[in-house]
Amino acid sequence: QKEVEQDPGPLSVPEGAIVSLNCTYSNSAFQYFMWYRQYSRKGPELLMYTYSSGNKEDGRFTAQVDKSSKYISLFIRDSQPSDSATYLCAVNTNAGKSTFGDGTTLTVKP
Amino acid sequence: GAVVSQHPSRVICKSGTSVKIECRSLDFQATTMFWYRQFPKQSLMLMATSNEGSKATYEQGVEKDKFLINHASLTLSTLTVTSAHPEDSSFYICSADSGQGIEPQHFGDGTRLSIL
Repeated sequence: QKEVEQDPGPLSVPEGAIVSLNCTYSNSAFQYFMWYRQYSRKGPELLMYTYSSGNKEDGRFTAQVDKSSKYISLFIRDSQPSDSATYLCAVNTNAGKSTFGDGTTLTVKP
Repeated sequence: GAVVSQHPSRVICKSGTSVKIECRSLDFQATTMFWYRQFPKQSLMLMATSNEGSKATYEQGVEKDKFLINHASLTLSTLTVTSAHPEDSSFYICSADSGQGIEPQHFGDGTRLSIL
């Protein structure tokens, strides 16, 4: 069993839709949770990170963590074509090596 | 925010050539740098972890003599693919960690390596 399982996708949504991206993890020792966005032929870009259960909002993006069920989500409101990318969740026990999900490719159609 | 610079962005070379990729942290000191490999439509595969001034720690199945890693300063790590062959063609990405608090890893823009 992988330490981090990410909904595989791909996802295709119309512009303006709300997008939900999800991951589950197996080890309760993971305390830090990140979401990265990766455009084609580029390195991953850190979108959000959090270390507590609950919601963290940044503009159109909301990261949600439920430690009791070991479930993390990223919500994108009012999705735009420029949001089309692969989204990677990542977990960590401390500020060291992260464990990544396999990524979900999102396409937002105009 | 934290910036990691990776060079070159694209390399095309003949089989048997050795290729060096540089990873620099531009505005922070990186006690730890990570090297990943990524195949098309797949996730990141960690190859090795390098700590400044010490030998790199390689993941299982990664040949340390094939992929030489040097982390000689707090702002620079290099990956050398020695005697590269077509099967080494891939997207190589580095990331850096300041080792302070919970600051997560920041990634370079990757190097696309094509061995003919």
